Amino acid sequence: DGGITQSPKYLFRKEGQNVTLSCEQNLNHDAMYWYRQDPGQGLRLIYYSQIVNDFQKGDIAEGYSVSREKKESFPLTVTSAQKNPTAFYLCASSIVGELITDTQYFGPGTRLTVL
Amino acid sequence: GEDVEQSLFLSVREGDSSVINCTYTDSSSTYLYWYKQEPGAGLQLLTYIFSNMDMKQDQRLTVLLNKKDKHLSLRIADTQTGDSAIYFCAEKSENYGNNRLAFGKGNQVVVIP
Repeated sequence: DGGITQSPKYLFRKEGQNVTLSCEQNLNHDAMYWYRQDPGQGLRLIYYSQIVNDFQKGDIAEGYSVSREKKESFPLTVTSAQKNPTAFYLCASSIVGELITDTQYFGPGTRLTVL
Repeated sequence: GEDVEQSLFLSVREGDSSVINCTYTDSSSTYLYWYKQEPGAGLQLLTYIFSNMDMKQDQRLTVLLNKKDKHLSLRIADTQTGDSAIYFCAEKSENYGNNRLAFGKGNQVVVIP
């Protein structure tokens, strides 16, 4: 059964603590992405990675960090430097290559609440 | 630059057609997408259209693309209660960088039984 999994679905943390959100895919996709979604907002790109051991900042990378040590995994750490971390976090993946659609496939999301 | 705009809310009676609109600014868009998000879930790809096409039909879904006006629409025929969701349009553009998509803010569709 191929797909993207994110865990946990709901996460609660105290203010000032770092927290790591998991994203795993078994689609053999090269690229992976992290988005943040707030109510009434579209998706905003945090970080993305097109290949193992390489990643780029998106539009709102401040207060976040990522790693891409394995092709199938792209964990996101929300650090204490992120001023407003409560949000719905979505992970996605896609094939990389020319002349294709680069369609992104999404995981089910993790809702992070910082108390 | 990339800027994708959508209206926010649409209510429609079950069985009617619903039309969701989206405008974009980047004329270099190569692909445009429609995604559906049900409450508390991730985004599900509904359909996409290549920028050299005017229309694409897929069962109850019809996508229309007006490149001159940079306008994209999604028509859902015979709308059902399961169509209640937020719909996002997104564009892929070479100007936006490799493998990146620009998403609109989404349009919430509520289907009234």
